[in-house]
Amino acid sequence: QITLKESGPTLVKPTQTLTLTCTFSGFSLSTSGVGVGWIRQPPGKALEWLALIYWNDDKRYSPSLKSRLTITKDTSKNQVVLTMTKMDPVDTATYYCAHSTPYCSGGSCYPYLGWFDPWGQGTLVTVSS
Amino acid sequence: QSVLTQPPSASGTPGQRVTISCSGSSSNIGSNTVNWYQQLPGTAPKLLIYSNNQRPSGVPDRFSGSKSGTSASLAISGLQSEDEADYYCAAWDDSLMVGVFGGGTKLTVL
Repeated sequence: QITLKESGPTLVKPTQTLTLTCTFSGFSLSTSGVGVGWIRQPPGKALEWLALIYWNDDKRYSPSLKSRLTITKDTSKNQVVLTMTKMDPVDTATYYCAHSTPYCSGGSCYPYLGWFDPWGQGTLVTVSS
Repeated sequence: QSVLTQPPSASGTPGQRVTISCSGSSSNIGSNTVNWYQQLPGTAPKLLIYSNNQRPSGVPDRFSGSKSGTSASLAISGLQSEDEADYYCAAWDDSLMVGVFGGGTKLTVL
């Protein structure tokens, strides 16, 4: 059974750097095709894709946030860390991490075409002075 | 402004069939598979449909997905009160080289 859990501060001040940790179990981030992604959801708003790191250390970032995001993995600890610099009140949101399964067909697998399943419970981060 | 476009709301009565659309472009839906997520009130999203039309184990066959060109659809038949939730489509975008979500559709069971 795959589980993921987000952890980090619930309150950060504007201009500070946010560091979130996703601790997972039930899979290895060294398995070919597998990834862990971060998605956020401002209160009452839609989901926003933030970043994803794959088993081979390939990293993808939302173009609009790329300059502020860093995603890393620690395979031995089963953790993925997301840092976001220059936090602003508009960054107030629930932040989710999720396991990414690759799309496989005809003997080949395509990690980019994968899906998020399962998701962590999410952690609400409020940005306020 | 989301890359994938969904209607903000949909509704139906118990037992009815409803469909939710998701419109994209040649760089996302037009060339890649579509996934759908269900988010019940106050909970984390859950995978509902993957690879356009595949249901994970445990998802009732009342839920089905389809794709044609640069659009995709989620259909829910035999609507039930517990289907009241937000639904999101998602796909990989070859131009942006990232995943993208739709703006979400809030389904109300009348």
